Amino acid sequence: EDKVVQSPLSLVVHEGDTVTLNCSYEVTNFRSLLWYKQEKKAPTFLFMLTSSGIEKKSGRLSSILDKKELFSILNITATQTGDSAIYLCAVDSGNTGKLIFGQGTTLQVKP
Amino acid sequence: DAEITQSPRHKITETGRQVTLACHQTWNHNNMFWYRQDLGHGLRLIHYSYGVQDTNKGEVSDGYSVSRSNTEDLPLTLESAASSQTSVYFCASSGSGTGELFFGEGSRLTVL
Repeated sequence: EDKVVQSPLSLVVHEGDTVTLNCSYEVTNFRSLLWYKQEKKAPTFLFMLTSSGIEKKSGRLSSILDKKELFSILNITATQTGDSAIYLCAVDSGNTGKLIFGQGTTLQVKP
Repeated sequence: DAEITQSPRHKITETGRQVTLACHQTWNHNNMFWYRQDLGHGLRLIHYSYGVQDTNKGEVSDGYSVSRSNTEDLPLTLESAASSQTSVYFCASSGSGTGELFFGEGSRLTVL
């Protein structure tokens, strides 16, 4: 059975801290791994990763994929209160948008 | 701008009632999906469609049905609502050949 597992499930940090969120997966036909950020409403897209070792970066957020060890990490540096959200990891196992999601990591950034 | 809209955004119903959640997208995407989100479970796939007249069951499809009569709409029906179906429901769509999903704002359903 295809599975995506995120850790930790929740995290509380203070502004300025750096955090690393983890996502491991077991799927039969990997195509890509995606990260989403979910605040009050709909998840919003952050990154799509398809190749090992190539870092994707957007401002203070970055992510990398290891297809040999079957995991990805999402780093957030110099965290701000606006980074407080649920971060969702998902794997596309058929390039058809049928994503398998992990449980999510709830990040709370305190002032 | 293209978008994906869900209605109603909030609904309270009683056990045993039939409920339909609407999803309409103007992206002209072939692929449409319904997920439910519950604490501790992330997003779980209910049903999905790769085009008109095509529907498929996801991992938690029992008690739900969908129909796809045109490209824009994928309504989700709960035939006989149960308290276990209290959840937040997200509709999403994607273009062919891409993995990125575009989500609606969600519909919060409470079954009493």
